[in-house]
Amino acid sequence: GNSVTQMEGPVTLSEEAFLTINCTYTATGYPSLFWYVQYPGEGLQLLLKATKADDKGSNKGFEATYRKETTSFHLEKGSVQVSDSAVYFCALLTAIQGAQKLVFGQGTRLTINP
Amino acid sequence: EPEVTQTPSHQVTQMGQEVILRCVPISNHLYFYWYRQILGQKVEFLVSFYNNEISEKSEIFDDQFSVERPDGSNFTLKIRSTKLEDSAMYFCASSEGTGTKGFFGQGTRLTVV
Repeated sequence: GNSVTQMEGPVTLSEEAFLTINCTYTATGYPSLFWYVQYPGEGLQLLLKATKADDKGSNKGFEATYRKETTSFHLEKGSVQVSDSAVYFCALLTAIQGAQKLVFGQGTRLTINP
Repeated sequence: EPEVTQTPSHQVTQMGQEVILRCVPISNHLYFYWYRQILGQKVEFLVSFYNNEISEKSEIFDDQFSVERPDGSNFTLKIRSTKLEDSAMYFCASSEGTGTKGFFGQGTRLTVV
């Protein structure tokens, strides 16, 4: 079946450090891939997405590249800020009978210290 | 940007009581979803709804759960007889079509005591 595996958290970094959160997936076909972010006390927000192999999604300094050969969609940011502290979820989108269904990873909690 | 709204933001209920969680999807969207997130765990798909019927449901979505689109704007999730383990954040989402961006609401935190 379809599944997403994320890097175990929590991850703690200092401000301006380089961030990588690993995400790999198992899916039939060619799913779209997403990163969602959940800030403390808030709901899920779409951070970025990629819909086909070699696409790069980017937003707010975050990037992720859809790698079909390694079935990965790792999230990266060159210089993190305290405001990036949140839980990050990798997800894949499958389409079942015309409706979409998101399959989420377990989430990675990121804490950035000043 | 258009948004999905959910009410209430937090609901506390006694075990065995019925609860209805409400969602107003984005007006031109055709597909509607409920997900839940037990504290500290992953977000799990519950159900998808299209053309006034359930198109897919997970094994979590048992007979205690039901969904309804009672009018042109609301989409509700009902839990008939709540259990302690139903305590979670429930997210509503909607999308325009297959493979298009899904918009999530802010969630309703349900606490069963």
